[in-house]
Amino acid sequence: AQSVTQLDSQVPVFEEAPVELRCNYSSSVSVYLFWYVQYPNQGLQLLLKYLSGSTLVESINGFEAEFNKSQTSFHLRKPSVHISDTAEYFCAVSDPRRGGYQKVTFGTGTKLQVIP
Amino acid sequence: DTAVSQTPKYLVTQMGNDKSIKCEQNLGHDTMYWYKQDSKKFLKIMFSYNNKELIINETVPNRFSPKSPDKAHLNLHINSLELGDSAVYFCASSQARGNYNEQFFGPGTRLTVL
Repeated sequence: AQSVTQLDSQVPVFEEAPVELRCNYSSSVSVYLFWYVQYPNQGLQLLLKYLSGSTLVESINGFEAEFNKSQTSFHLRKPSVHISDTAEYFCAVSDPRRGGYQKVTFGTGTKLQVIP
Repeated sequence: DTAVSQTPKYLVTQMGNDKSIKCEQNLGHDTMYWYKQDSKKFLKIMFSYNNKELIINETVPNRFSPKSPDKAHLNLHINSLELGDSAVYFCASSQARGNYNEQFFGPGTRLTVL
């Protein structure tokens, strides 16, 4: 079975400061990894994903995450946050062996609060 | 254009009632899902349908019954509602292709059971 741990339930950070949201996963097989963002009163949107290849993946709005197999981590970072980044961020994992019918397991989420 | 839509957005009802939540996707996807997000924001899959066939059925009380009349719709019917059913329910869809399927989520239905 796979699991995801997001140790920080809330992360307050000042505007324009850097931020790192931590994610660790547990799996006995190779994985696909995701970060989803949920803005207030909205559904989840895919922010970025790691499927294979380069361990550093980037989103269009300045976030990046690095897959570290030895530490089983997929931390999300942004060098300078904006007020509009205030949201709940979910790390997720799935099993590539199940192909298109894979089940995605989500972490408990980290609320990023950007302070003006 | 709405990709994954859910109705209603809010649902307030009494314990013991039966209610339904509807989901529709216009993305041409062949797989749809229902998730439950509790008050602590924990998101857990409940069901998944592929081409109207049930493929994932997590440990969910049998008071919850999904119905997929066609590939574009997946409805969730809940019988004998209980206080613990209060949550936000998200519908999602994806296209099962190769080894990866990005899931697109609806806006959610906030169910409150009194």
